[in-house]
Amino acid sequence: QKEVEQDPGPLSVPEGAIVSLNCTYSNSAFQYFMWYRQYSRKGPELLMYTYSSGNKEDGRFTAQVDKSSKYISLFIRDSQPSDSATYLCAMSRLQGAQKLVFGQGTRLTINP
Amino acid sequence: EAQVTQNPRYLITVTGKKLTVTCSQNMNHEYMSWYRQDPGLGLRQIYYSMNVEVTDKGDVPEGYKVSRKEKRNFPLILESPSPNQTSLYFCASSLISGGNQPQHFGDGTRLSIL
Repeated sequence: QKEVEQDPGPLSVPEGAIVSLNCTYSNSAFQYFMWYRQYSRKGPELLMYTYSSGNKEDGRFTAQVDKSSKYISLFIRDSQPSDSATYLCAMSRLQGAQKLVFGQGTRLTINP
Repeated sequence: EAQVTQNPRYLITVTGKKLTVTCSQNMNHEYMSWYRQDPGLGLRQIYYSMNVEVTDKGDVPEGYKVSRKEKRNFPLILESPSPNQTSLYFCASSLISGGNQPQHFGDGTRLSIL
């Protein structure tokens, strides 16, 4: 079983829709949770990061962490064609050398 | 502009021919790391470095070497490449090690080993 599971999609939605992307994980030691966005032929770029459980909002993006369920989500409101990309969740432990464990990524397409 | 630069961006080579992928960052970051990205497997860490002359293995280090002689550079070396090392490689850096430090990624190097 992988430490982090993420549905690879692809996911295709119309412009303006609310998008929900999710990851589950098995290691309860994870404390930091991140979402990266990766456009085609580019490296991942950090979109959101949260520490422990709770919500964090940044513009049209909201990240949620539920540590009791070992489940994290990224919501995109009023989705735009420019949001079309692969979204990767990543997480790491609190202490020690930085070791990010990534989900395999969800490919998202927003149709105009 | 703050960035992580990888070279080459694309390379096709043959089994057994030594190659080096360079990585350089201009942000004075202590921590640097190499990942490979494969379909269905996501990003997996190959090696990382917490500072100059300090390197350690990640999840998939077999067949790779790294060195960190200068803070800004972290080359990835394939001494005897094999077809199973065909992949998309990313270098990343962050200010210091620790779970709360976001990593900045280069744009990737696509390697094809024939």
